[in-house]
Amino acid sequence: KQEVTQIPAALSVPEGENLVLNCSFTDSAIYNLQWFRQDPGKGLTSLLLIQSSQREQTSGRLNASLDKSSGRSTLYIAASQPGDSATYLCAVQTGANNLFFGTGTRLTVIP
Amino acid sequence: NAGVMQNPRHLVRRRGQEARLRCSPMKGHSHVYWYRQLPEEGLKFMVYLQKENIIDESGMPKERFSAEFPKEGPSILRIQQVVRGDSAAYFCASSPSGSGSYEQYFGPGTRLTVT
Repeated sequence: KQEVTQIPAALSVPEGENLVLNCSFTDSAIYNLQWFRQDPGKGLTSLLLIQSSQREQTSGRLNASLDKSSGRSTLYIAASQPGDSATYLCAVQTGANNLFFGTGTRLTVIP
Repeated sequence: NAGVMQNPRHLVRRRGQEARLRCSPMKGHSHVYWYRQLPEEGLKFMVYLQKENIIDESGMPKERFSAEFPKEGPSILRIQQVVRGDSAAYFCASSPSGSGSYEQYFGPGTRLTVT
């Protein structure tokens, strides 16, 4: 059974710092991996989707990488801002059509 | 193009009552997924439906929970005789396809509180 782990569970950084969030999964037979952002009491906002054949995707200050063989993905956030404070979730899609989610990393960017 | 719509956004029910959660997928999407997020836990898959068909309900509790996606109208997640442990955020997602690699688009969620 697919298991997704995110480390660290929580992270505080000063504004302007670059940071990396980690995601690992146990079964490399995935279709894709998605990174989401969730603000307290809100829904999920999709940030990046990486297909299994891709190595990375970029959107603005965000860059996500995927190493399917080792079961790892990282989300890199450049020049962090207080507005980046949120919980970041990674999820993998398997052939079973549903997403398996990690428990998230709670990011706080301190002004 | 409106996104995935869920209502109500907040729902309070007393123990033993029924809860009905609605999800309207994005226009053009015929595949709907329900996920549950218990307090301090990650999102867990519950059920995957296409119009008039349940494709995968492996994540649904065996009792009291049911889901449907009729030919017309929204998808409904129904919880009968709610208990305190049902208090959670319930998210719906939709996609245009159900095979291969595709992105799921999430709604804002319904937060159910059982008192």
